[in-house]
Amino acid sequence: GNSVTQMEGPVTLSEEAFLTINCTYTATGYPSLFWYVQYPGEGLQLLLKATKADDKGSNKGFEATYRKETTSFHLEKGSVQVSDSAVYFCALSGGRDDKIIFGKGTRLHILP
Amino acid sequence: GAVVSQHPSRVICKSGTSVKIECRSLDFQATTMFWYRQFPKKSLMLMATSNEGSKATYEQGVEKDKFLINHASLTLSTLTVTSAHPEDSSFYICSAVRPPAYEQYFGPGTRLTVT
Repeated sequence: GNSVTQMEGPVTLSEEAFLTINCTYTATGYPSLFWYVQYPGEGLQLLLKATKADDKGSNKGFEATYRKETTSFHLEKGSVQVSDSAVYFCALSGGRDDKIIFGKGTRLHILP
Repeated sequence: GAVVSQHPSRVICKSGTSVKIECRSLDFQATTMFWYRQFPKKSLMLMATSNEGSKATYEQGVEKDKFLINHASLTLSTLTVTSAHPEDSSFYICSAVRPPAYEQYFGPGTRLTVT
């Protein structure tokens, strides 16, 4: 079945550091890929998504590229801020009305 | 953007009682809603898929008689935790699927504490 594997946290970085959170997936067909973010005390928010191979999703300085050859969707940001501290979930969906499969989440701490 | 609300945001109940959680899509009609459960510092676990006008589809290991789901209209789904026990304490999150792009929008979650 479909599954998502993302790097274990927590990840602690200093402000303005470069961020990479690895995510790989297993799926049949051509899933859509997502990164969701959960800030402390809040619900999930869609951060970015990509629906086909080589698509790059981007938002708020974060980027991730759908790599079918490596079945990966790594999240990157060139310069993190304290306000980026949150839990990040990589996820995939098989398509219309299909359930979303989430990774276990990576907690990110950014130090000032 | 699309908004999904949940009510209540927090609830504390005594063991043995039942609790109802509402999930509403505020500005769109959702033929499908999902219910998730999130344990502390863990990922979201899909509990069930709720389709308007039909019975919910439960994931393996989720007791349908304990977690009753009713998708009463295109904008409302409810989750009732029956005869709650302390181990049911968790963060429950719903999502609603918005056509035509069929993106999922998540509610803010409901924290249930059973004493």
